[in-house]
Amino acid sequence: EPEVTQTPSHQVTQMGQEVILRCVPISNHLYFYWYRQILGQKVEFLVSFYNNEISEKSEIFDDQFSVERPDGSNFTLKIRSTKLEDSAMYFCASLFDRESQPQHFGDGTRLSIL
Amino acid sequence: GESVGLHLPTLSVQEGDNSIINCAYSNSASDYFIWYKQESGKGPQFIIDIRSNMDKRQGQRVTVLLNKTVKHLSLQIAATQPGDSAVYFCAEKNSGGGADGLTFGKGTHLIIQP
Repeated sequence: EPEVTQTPSHQVTQMGQEVILRCVPISNHLYFYWYRQILGQKVEFLVSFYNNEISEKSEIFDDQFSVERPDGSNFTLKIRSTKLEDSAMYFCASLFDRESQPQHFGDGTRLSIL
Repeated sequence: GESVGLHLPTLSVQEGDNSIINCAYSNSASDYFIWYKQESGKGPQFIIDIRSNMDKRQGQRVTVLLNKTVKHLSLQIAATQPGDSAVYFCAEKNSGGGADGLTFGKGTHLIIQP
């Protein structure tokens, strides 16, 4: 069964540094998402992306965050200047179309900010 | 405030018994609901979903019930197995309002006792 894959599985970064989290969505999917999960808490929506632009974003997704689909297969989340509170699991998800739910999730990247 | 929440953080059941995991939601405009299972170190895995025009949907060993009157969602797992041990999240979306991201509840940790 096709999967969403995320790299790296664990990223350790100094506070203030930029970090890029990478995702390869399922190949024929058109809608892409980032979520985060702080340890022991619920999964929170960050941003959705369709047709090379952001379609929805949450309050968490401030100016420090950006997303990009640099080629036909990758979908990235960039955090420009990381803060301690950015430490979390970051999940990528993808969807073929909005009528054919559900969103399929990757296994996440654990981001640790020191 | 949170749109979706859970009644119990931990549920322990004997192997072979049935389990019921509950979820309350507050957004009466939500029209799509989904249950995910999350095992340790993994991303959310789709279990079953339901649209607001239905009140029950069955899958293999799982049933989702939706009560729109009291804004309550439940997941029933029949004949639980050790592999069912995980954290279960309900999530909702207001598709009609153009929302793209899922709003997750806090999660219930299901423990299957041998």
